[in-house]
Amino acid sequence: DARVTQTPRDKVTEMGQEVTMRCQPILGHNTVFWYRQTMMQGLELLAYFRNRAPLDDSGMPKDRFSAEMPDATLATLKIQPSEPRDSAVYFCASVLGRYTEAFFGQGTRLTVV
Amino acid sequence: EDQVTQSPEALRLQEGESSSLNCSYTVSGLRGLFWYRQDPGKGPEFLFTLYSAGEEKEKERLKATLTKKESFLHITAPKPEDSATYLCAVRETSGSRLTFGEGTQLTVNP
Repeated sequence: DARVTQTPRDKVTEMGQEVTMRCQPILGHNTVFWYRQTMMQGLELLAYFRNRAPLDDSGMPKDRFSAEMPDATLATLKIQPSEPRDSAVYFCASVLGRYTEAFFGQGTRLTVV
Repeated sequence: EDQVTQSPEALRLQEGESSSLNCSYTVSGLRGLFWYRQDPGKGPEFLFTLYSAGEEKEKERLKATLTKKESFLHITAPKPEDSATYLCAVRETSGSRLTFGEGTQLTVNP
């Protein structure tokens, strides 16, 4: 059963700490998205990659967020330093090809206190 | 810039009471309109893709339709298990960017 896997599922951290979220896309999918979901903003696109290359990260606060794909089976989203306003659910999604549907992981619920 | 607007924000139905959800979009060139269902605490689950005006897709009690400016998700004789947030997203021609609307929270009462 192919699925997008995200770890951790829940993360509580103190303000100022570094947070790393991981995503394993579906094998063979060449496009990976990172989204942030809050009650106020809905699903907000942070960044996406195709064939491991970043195509657009304009949705990310550049001073504290970074996204990478070290290899085709792993995408990471890092926040350093974290702030309370970063509290949200972060989703990863992967796509086979360019115009087909995206499959989402279960998300990482981040709480920064 | 791509824009997706969903209405209503929330909808309460009685079991068996059919209705429709709306997704209005503005995009430079549509390369797919997607409907997703999201249950609390879970990631969005893919339902349908529509690519061109006039296209329709059906799955159980759900039917999605597409025009040049909007899409409808029709729910026929809904059941309580259809309660969820329904999200609409568009992909435009120039790239893979997938832009979501804010969603419609559907509650179906028994």
